[in-house]
Amino acid sequence: DAEITQSPRHKITETGRQVTLACHQTWNHNNMFWYRQDLGHGLRLIHYSYGVQDTNKGEVSDGYSVSRSNTEDLPLTLESAASSQTSVYFCASSAQRQETQYFGPGTRLLVL
Amino acid sequence: QKEVEQNSGPLSVPEGAIASLNCTYSDRVSQSFFWYRQYSGKSPELIMSIYSNGDKEDGRFTAQLNKASQYVSLLIRDSQPSDSATYLCAVNSISGTYKYIFGTGTRLKVLA
Repeated sequence: DAEITQSPRHKITETGRQVTLACHQTWNHNNMFWYRQDLGHGLRLIHYSYGVQDTNKGEVSDGYSVSRSNTEDLPLTLESAASSQTSVYFCASSAQRQETQYFGPGTRLLVL
Repeated sequence: QKEVEQNSGPLSVPEGAIASLNCTYSDRVSQSFFWYRQYSGKSPELIMSIYSNGDKEDGRFTAQLNKASQYVSLLIRDSQPSDSATYLCAVNSISGTYKYIFGTGTRLKVLA
């Protein structure tokens, strides 16, 4: 069955370290998204991609980067982790821009 | 004004009752509307999508859209304790660049 996976599921890191969160989908969806979810803020869009080599900033992109070298993967990199980036991160994908997004299981990141 | 607004709740209803969840949005050119359910510690999963004014029914769930009033709602009939979760409203707007915006969610508690 097609699916979307994230790794690691849990991560503890230290302030200033570079961290990469992986997202892999097997639906062959062109559109992929990264969100963070924090109490009181809901899901906030970090970066998104509409296809290979395409990346776009979302509303909370500072301190994050993504690259899209193939259809299946959109890794999210925290260049220099900060305590404010402690959060739950969700990756999602969709077949069409206006259609349903399917979410991965999430990654819980703690920055100490 | 937030682009997508929901009452955070909790909304408590007795088992078997109708739960009514509401969502308002600010962008008049929004075209696609979605309701996601999120259990604690899990990722969001789609319940309903709606694109046209009126009602759309799927089992115990009915989504209602009123574009003139910029309002979308979700009714859950015969509520069950297993419906206890946070319900996220999402709106897809085409103003500027494509945006898929989530509300902060309404927490529903169904009391047995």
